[in-house]
Amino acid sequence: SQQGEEDPQALSIQEGENATMNCSYKTSINNLQWYRQNSGRGLVHLILIRSNEREKHSGRLRVTLDTSKKSSSLLITASRAADTASYFCATDATGANSKLTFGKGITLSVRP
Amino acid sequence: NAGVTQTPKFQVLKTGQSMTLQCAQDMNHEYMSWYRQDPGMGLRLIHYSVGAGITDQGEVPNGYNVSRSTTEDFPLRLLSAAPSQTSVYFCASSASGRSYEQYFGPGTRLTVT
Repeated sequence: SQQGEEDPQALSIQEGENATMNCSYKTSINNLQWYRQNSGRGLVHLILIRSNEREKHSGRLRVTLDTSKKSSSLLITASRAADTASYFCATDATGANSKLTFGKGITLSVRP
Repeated sequence: NAGVTQTPKFQVLKTGQSMTLQCAQDMNHEYMSWYRQDPGMGLRLIHYSVGAGITDQGEVPNGYNVSRSTTEDFPLRLLSAAPSQTSVYFCASSASGRSYEQYFGPGTRLTVT
C-alpha cells in the first residue's frame, strides 16, 4: 500500500492565491520529499525535510512536517500559472530495506 | 551536464516482444532506480541499484530485469512484454541513495498491444 497519500487529489485556484497540499504517511520516516511534475515530463525535486525538522522554506515554497501526526504540508504562496503541475510527496521510511515511496499526486491548476 | 537521459521517448511493442529501455546519467551518481507511473497509481519502484554490480528489486519487479555494469548506465529489460506493462517509465539517480534528492529522466512512454 502507498506510504504517502496526498490530498486533495485536485486543486484549482486563481493566480496570486496560495495553494496548500497535504501528505499523510503511515510509518516512521527519515525524511519526506516533495516533487513537481509538469505534463509529459519527469519529476523535479522541490524540497526535502528531515524527520527532526518542522519547517523549511525555499523561495515561494514552505513545507511543514508533523511527525506526531505523520503528516506534511506544502504551501505555494502567490501562485502563478506556471505552477500548474502535479505534486508528489515521497517518504523515505526508516529501516535498512525500506524504499523511497511516492504518493499518487495532487493535480494543481492555477487559473490566470 | 545532460543529467539523466532515457531512450527511446516512445515505444510500441507487441505482446511477447522484448526490449531494453536505456538510462544513462553523467553526474557520477551511485544510486539509480527505475519507476513506472500509471494513472491513479503514482510511481512504483521496479528495480534499483546502489552501485555498479549491485541491483535489487523494488515493489513491482516481475517481468523486468536490470543490470549495472557501469556507474553511468542502468538499462531496464522487458523479457516478454504484456499489455499490463503499458506505462510511462522513469529512471532516476541520486548521489547518495534513496534518502537524497532524486534526479529524474524525461521518461519513456511504452504501449504494449
